[in-house]
Amino acid sequence: GQQVMQIPQYQHVQEGEDFTTYCNSSTTLSNIQWYKQRPGGHPVFLIQLVKSGEVKKQKRLTFQFGEAKKNSSLHITATQTTDVGTYFCAGRGSQGNLIFGKGTKLSVKP
Amino acid sequence: DAGITQSPRHKVTETGTPVTLRCHQTENHRYMYWYRQDPGHGLRLIHYSYGVKDTDKGEVSDGYSVSRSKTEDFLLTLESATSSQTSVYFCAISGLSDRVYGEQYFGPGTRLTVT
Repeated sequence: GQQVMQIPQYQHVQEGEDFTTYCNSSTTLSNIQWYKQRPGGHPVFLIQLVKSGEVKKQKRLTFQFGEAKKNSSLHITATQTTDVGTYFCAGRGSQGNLIFGKGTKLSVKP
Repeated sequence: DAGITQSPRHKVTETGTPVTLRCHQTENHRYMYWYRQDPGHGLRLIHYSYGVKDTDKGEVSDGYSVSRSKTEDFLLTLESATSSQTSVYFCAISGLSDRVYGEQYFGPGTRLTVT
């Protein structure tokens, strides 16, 4: 079935370093969403990308959607301890359901 | 946060017993979803609903049933719980009427342990 692959599974960074997580699909996606889940919490919607090649920014976070609409990335500049959590991408499957990647767990060392 | 509550928040039950989890929303959204989250698997869709009495299966529906008799409530039932159903269960609702483009808002989750 349709899958959304996300790498890396874990990332440990020093506070102030940059962080990037990548999301890849075997099929073209109609859109892609990103969520953040703090430890012990629930996923929280961050952003949605719809257009080919789209780039959106939220403060230190930059989201990109690939030209072929099969991949996406989330980049965090100068990480802070508040960025700790698991970041999930989610793409729309052929039946309209969201298919979540397995997430990238980010830890930040102060 | 969207008005979504889940009950119970924690439950320990024995293998073979029935279990019902409840999701309640105050947003009047049409679409509701049940996911399970397990280490190494991310979030997997169990069932979803697109209206009162309208439900459909997700990726991992075996062993689960759902019901939606009111817009605000979506129930997930494990008819006969098994240890493999030990997980954290999240309910979600769609933020927009168009399911294809709607972001999802998640409830706080229910941690279920089947012994």
